[in-house]
Amino acid sequence: SQTIHQWPATLVQPVGSPLSLECTVEGTSNPNLYWYRQAAGRGLQLLFYSVGIGQISSEVPQNLSASRPQDRQFILSSKKLLLSDSGFYLCAWSVPLRTGGYEQYFGPGTRLTVT
Amino acid sequence: DAKTTQPNSMESNEEEPVHLPCNHSTISGTDYIHWYRQLPSQGPEYVIHGLTSNVNNRMASLAIAEDRKSSTLILHRATLRDAAVYYCILGGRGSTLGRLYFGRGTQLTVWP
Repeated sequence: SQTIHQWPATLVQPVGSPLSLECTVEGTSNPNLYWYRQAAGRGLQLLFYSVGIGQISSEVPQNLSASRPQDRQFILSSKKLLLSDSGFYLCAWSVPLRTGGYEQYFGPGTRLTVT
Repeated sequence: DAKTTQPNSMESNEEEPVHLPCNHSTISGTDYIHWYRQLPSQGPEYVIHGLTSNVNNRMASLAIAEDRKSSTLILHRATLRDAAVYYCILGGRGSTLGRLYFGRGTQLTVWP
């Protein structure tokens, strides 16, 4: 069965410090991968998606970047964190459904607090 | 992105049916209707999806209006574990690459 891992679970970082969040997927090949952010009291915002190694598309201009060095590894980074980067970061992967559409599976998330 | 409109919140008593509405008047012919739910401090989980016909699975039923401009997620017997934010999301076929654009969703409160 497929599993998605994210770490760390929680993180407190000062403003201006770098960030690296990692996501790995097991049990599937060539998945579409996604990074979402949920600010406090807000809905989920799609940040990046990837359809293959080295292929990254950004959904919104921001202080963050993403990379996919391996098929099942997705990394979210920042060189200098801002206060507004605080939030709940979720990695997800998707598989096309036999009946059409996609089903996404989400990881446990990383709660980032920038102080 | 096609937009959806959902009530901000709804309430139900335990073991009663719950009907969560969603309006999507600008839906295109290739848009699937997806429902996800998010429990507190967790990532969303898939509930159900459909295109034109009503759908049933072990979690819920999805009733889609004939003109597809609205849909209703039906929880047949609400439990306390169903308390969550429910998102109605439109997603197209392959060209969207599975991307999901979440709105604010409906906060469902279930009373014992």
